[in-house]
Amino acid sequence: GQSLEQPSEVTAVEGAIVQINCTYQTSGFYGLSWYQQHDGGAPTFLSYNALDGLEETGRFSSFLSRSDSYGYLLLQELQMKDSASYFCAVSWMDSSYKLIFGSGTRLLVRP
Amino acid sequence: DGGITQSPKYLFRKEGQNVTLSCEQNLNHDAMYWYRQDPGQGLRLIYYSQIVNDFQKGDIAEGYSVSREKKESFPLTVTSAQKNPTAFYLCASSITLAGSPYNEQFFGPGTRLTVL
Repeated sequence: GQSLEQPSEVTAVEGAIVQINCTYQTSGFYGLSWYQQHDGGAPTFLSYNALDGLEETGRFSSFLSRSDSYGYLLLQELQMKDSASYFCAVSWMDSSYKLIFGSGTRLLVRP
Repeated sequence: DGGITQSPKYLFRKEGQNVTLSCEQNLNHDAMYWYRQDPGQGLRLIYYSQIVNDFQKGDIAEGYSVSREKKESFPLTVTSAQKNPTAFYLCASSITLAGSPYNEQFFGPGTRLTVL
């Protein structure tokens, strides 16, 4: 089976750096992606790691290590608007383009 | 503007009634997906379709049905057989590039269904 585990909630201070971890117990996936969802809103794509290593997109970076079955999303220079839920997801290694999502991490940014 | 629309945003139905949720996209995407999200939970795949007139069951298809008669449209029917239908329903789409293992999914604004 496939499962992705994330912490349920993380709290950080505005301007700080926070890391949201995602560990998985699955195999045969193409890559790890991250989505952001504000309360009541639609998920939006943040990043995708096809290969091991770090991908940087502005204030956000994402990391994947297949050998450790682990990935993380790093948010720098936190802003109040970063308060949201963050989901990791794996894209399954078949032709379906399906995504399997983790249960999400709720990030609360405090002043 | 290109995007995905879902209507209505809020929907109330009586127990035992079937209800159809609308999803339309003008992104010219081949693949479309329906997810269910319960409070504090992740997204669970209900059905997906990679091409017109074809669709596949996801992880929680029981009590749901779909159709894909047009590329732009992928309506979801929540039937009376769905035991706990109250949830937030999200529709998504993606392009399907031959040889590309991953395509970003674009989500609609969602429909919050409450069954009374």
